[in-house]
Amino acid sequence: EDKVVQSPLSLVVHEGDTVTLNCSYEVTNFRSLLWYKQEKKAPTFLFMLTSSGIEKKSGRLSSILDKKELFSILNITATQTGDSAVYLCAVEGSGTYKYIFGTGTRLKVLA
Amino acid sequence: GAGVSQSPSNKVTEKGKDVELRCDPISGHTALYWYRQSLGQGLEFLIYFQGNSAPDKSGLPSDRFSAERTGGSVSTLTIQRTQQEDSAVYLCASSKYREETQYFGPGTRLLVL
Repeated sequence: EDKVVQSPLSLVVHEGDTVTLNCSYEVTNFRSLLWYKQEKKAPTFLFMLTSSGIEKKSGRLSSILDKKELFSILNITATQTGDSAVYLCAVEGSGTYKYIFGTGTRLKVLA
Repeated sequence: GAGVSQSPSNKVTEKGKDVELRCDPISGHTALYWYRQSLGQGLEFLIYFQGNSAPDKSGLPSDRFSAERTGGSVSTLTIQRTQQEDSAVYLCASSKYREETQYFGPGTRLLVL
């Protein structure tokens, strides 16, 4: 059965710290992996990683995909209180047109 | 320049009634997605449309759920004979093409009494 496991479940850091969030997966015929940030309401799409794009960066956020070891990490450097959110990872298998979500990592950044 | 809009924003219904949720994607976006999120739970993917067609409906939780999209634009998610476990926030997102950034609407909060 396809599955996505995120770790840690929750994390508390101080402003300025660097955090690494993990997403490991088992899926038939991997196609893509997605990261989202969710605060109180609807999620915000962060990155999509595929076989042709295994590393993405946007400002203080970056993500890499290791297709051999079946995981991805999301790095946030110089964290700010506005980074406090639940970070969700989802994986899509080829030909399925479905995303399987992990339970998320709850990040709290203290001032 | 509007974003994704959804209506209604809140819906309270009685168990057994049918409900219809609407999503207006960003103009020109060919890909449209429905998700739901139950209270305290993670995000659950429901269905994806490319244009007017949904290549895989197996993400829908049961045969009481159906979705359609017309004119490559508006999509409707219908839940028949609602049950209390259908209570959740139903989110819609759209993207220009499938592998591009998804933009989410504000969601419809459904409560089944």
